[in-house]
Amino acid sequence: GQQLNQSPQSMFIQEGEDVSMNCTSSSIFNTWLWYKQDPGEGPVLLIALYKAGELTSNGRLTAQFGITRKDSFLNISASIPSDVGIYFCAGLYLVDKIIFGKGTRLHILP
Amino acid sequence: DGGITQSPKYLFRKEGQNVTLSCEQNLNHDAMYWYRQDPGQGLRLIYYSQIVNDFQKGDIAEGYSVSREKKESFPLTVTSAQKNPTAFYLCASSIGGWPRNTEAFFGQGTRLTVV
Repeated sequence: GQQLNQSPQSMFIQEGEDVSMNCTSSSIFNTWLWYKQDPGEGPVLLIALYKAGELTSNGRLTAQFGITRKDSFLNISASIPSDVGIYFCAGLYLVDKIIFGKGTRLHILP
Repeated sequence: DGGITQSPKYLFRKEGQNVTLSCEQNLNHDAMYWYRQDPGQGLRLIYYSQIVNDFQKGDIAEGYSVSREKKESFPLTVTSAQKNPTAFYLCASSIGGWPRNTEAFFGQGTRLTVV
């Protein structure tokens, strides 16, 4: 079956540092989505990518749809305390099948 | 305000009991979804419904049942047949065609614990 490998599983960074996380697969995806989930809440969409090679920004967040269509990355610049949470990638394969990565838990050290 | 509401936020169930989780949306969305989330895991699809009176099994439907009698409501029943029901359950809705063309909105989740 389809599998997404999201890494790293968790990150501990200092406030102000940049963050980078990615999702990879051996399968091709047609759409990549990046979500953020705060504790005890539902995920909120950050960025959607629909085309191979697409690079999209949303404030301090930047995400790219890999050229091979098998990967995507998310960067967060100049992290702030409210960036803490779990970040999920999700990929669309076939017409309407979506699969989520296991998440990257971001911690910011005081 | 428009949105998607799940209730209750926390639910405790004794082993062997069925329990129903509520999901209501006033966004006029056609499609609704139920996901299960376990610690350190991605979201896994339980059931989804693209239109009223129709629903489809997702990847982990065993031990769960749903109904879609109204556009606004998509309740999930966790039956006693579900062997490991303790988890965080998320409901979502979209206009349709998610994620190719639209965005899905998630509720705040229900944490179910079997005691």
